[in-house]
Amino acid sequence: EPEVTQTPSHQVTQMGQEVILRCVPISNHLYFYWYRQILGQKVEFLVSFYNNEISEKSEIFDDQFSVERPDGSNFTLKIRSTKLEDSAMYFCASSGDLYEQYFGPGTRLTVT
Amino acid sequence: AQSVTQLDSHVSVSEGTPVLLRCNYSSSYSPSLFWYVQHPNKGLQLLLKYTSAATLVKGINGFEAEFKKSETSFHLTKPSAHMSDAAEYFCVVSGAGSGTYKYIFGTGTRLKVLA
Repeated sequence: EPEVTQTPSHQVTQMGQEVILRCVPISNHLYFYWYRQILGQKVEFLVSFYNNEISEKSEIFDDQFSVERPDGSNFTLKIRSTKLEDSAMYFCASSGDLYEQYFGPGTRLTVT
Repeated sequence: AQSVTQLDSHVSVSEGTPVLLRCNYSSSYSPSLFWYVQHPNKGLQLLLKYTSAATLVKGINGFEAEFKKSETSFHLTKPSAHMSDAAEYFCVVSGAGSGTYKYIFGTGTRLKVLA
């Protein structure tokens, strides 16, 4: 069964450093999403991406964040200058029909 | 605007007894509703979904949920709890049809199953 994959599973970085979180969506999906879950809190929407552009973003998704689909398979989330409060689990999701989203296993980002 | 409220942050049941996890939603449009489960240190697994077809939805592992428009509810049930059901459960509403397709998550219900 096709699945969404994410790398790395755990990333530790120092405050102020740039990180790139990688996702490989399901191959025939066209809609892509990033969500995050701060420890002990609910899952929050960050951004959606379709046709090589952002279709929607939350207020969390400020200028420090960017997304890219650099080739036909990868979907990346970049945080330019990480802050302590960026520590969270980041989930990638993809969808083929705008209804059901398939989630990856997540990347745990720890900012020290 | 859409929102979802999970009425219980923690639920404890004994193994073999029924499970009820409550969820109420708010939506100006016909919503799509989902239940996801998250086991410790794991990702999000879809349990079941409602997308305007049958109001009683059956999912994996014996779970089911009933969409009740009059009560704006989508409660998750299981007749008999198993130890492996212990996890965090998230009710999700999607705005498909309203111009936004993002998922809006509830705050989660942690299910504890007692032996």
